Amino acid sequence: DGGITQSPKYLFRKEGQNVTLSCEQNLNHDAMYWYRQDPGQGLRLIYYSQIVNDFQKGDIAEGYSVSREKKESFPLTVTSAQKNPTAFYLCASSPSGATHSGNTIYFGEGSWLTVV
Amino acid sequence: AQKVTQAQTEISVVEKEDVTLDCVYETRDTTYYLFWYKQPPSGELVFLIRRNSFDEQNEISGRYSWNFQKSTSSFNFTITASQVVDSAVYFCALSEYNFNKFYFGSGTKLNVKP
Repeated sequence: DGGITQSPKYLFRKEGQNVTLSCEQNLNHDAMYWYRQDPGQGLRLIYYSQIVNDFQKGDIAEGYSVSREKKESFPLTVTSAQKNPTAFYLCASSPSGATHSGNTIYFGEGSWLTVV
Repeated sequence: AQKVTQAQTEISVVEKEDVTLDCVYETRDTTYYLFWYKQPPSGELVFLIRRNSFDEQNEISGRYSWNFQKSTSSFNFTITASQVVDSAVYFCALSEYNFNKFYFGSGTKLNVKP
C-alpha cells in the first residue's frame, strides 16, 4: 500500500542522547516535512525538503537535524541540544509544484518521543 | 505573512447535533489552497478536503460540508448529525500556490458525547 511509514511509534530517550526518527514514503512525492506537536497544541514545522539533497529550516529547527539522501527517506535526528524534546513527531510529504494532482500534504502515523 | 486562526479550542456536543468549526486565514497571495484535516486519538492526520482560492463553491460530502467565503477569509467546516466517531482534533491549513509550505491552525478539539 502507498503511504508514509514512521518508526518507531514510541521511543524513549535518555537525556544527552541523540535519537533518529525514521520516515519513508512510497508516494513518489518530492517534498517531505517534519512537524512537532505538543499536547493540546498545533503543528510546528521543524524542517522541510523540496528535493533530494536539499532541505530548509522550519520554525523550530534548533536541536534537530535532517538528511535527504534519497527521495523516499527523510530521517530526523533529535540531538542532545534539543532541551525539551518530549513531543509527538509527524512526518509528511506532498507532490511538488502546482502541476501535480494536488498540493496536498499527507501524514504518517507519528512517533511519540519521551525523554526519561 | 500567512496565518490560520481556529478560535475554538474545544467544542462539546451531544450526538446528532450539528456543529461548525471555524477557520479564518490571512494571506497576501491571490492564489492559495485551504485544507481541513482530522486527527483522531491514534495521532495520524487524515486529509479531508482541499479547496483552491478560485473555487468558492460550497462542498458537501456525506455529513460533512465546507463553506468558503473569500470576503471574510473564512473556511468553515460543518458536521451534520454528529457521531461519537467524529470526536477528534480538526486542523485547518493554508498553503501558497506552487510552494510547498503549509500553515496550520492550532486545532479544534471536538468531543461528541453519546
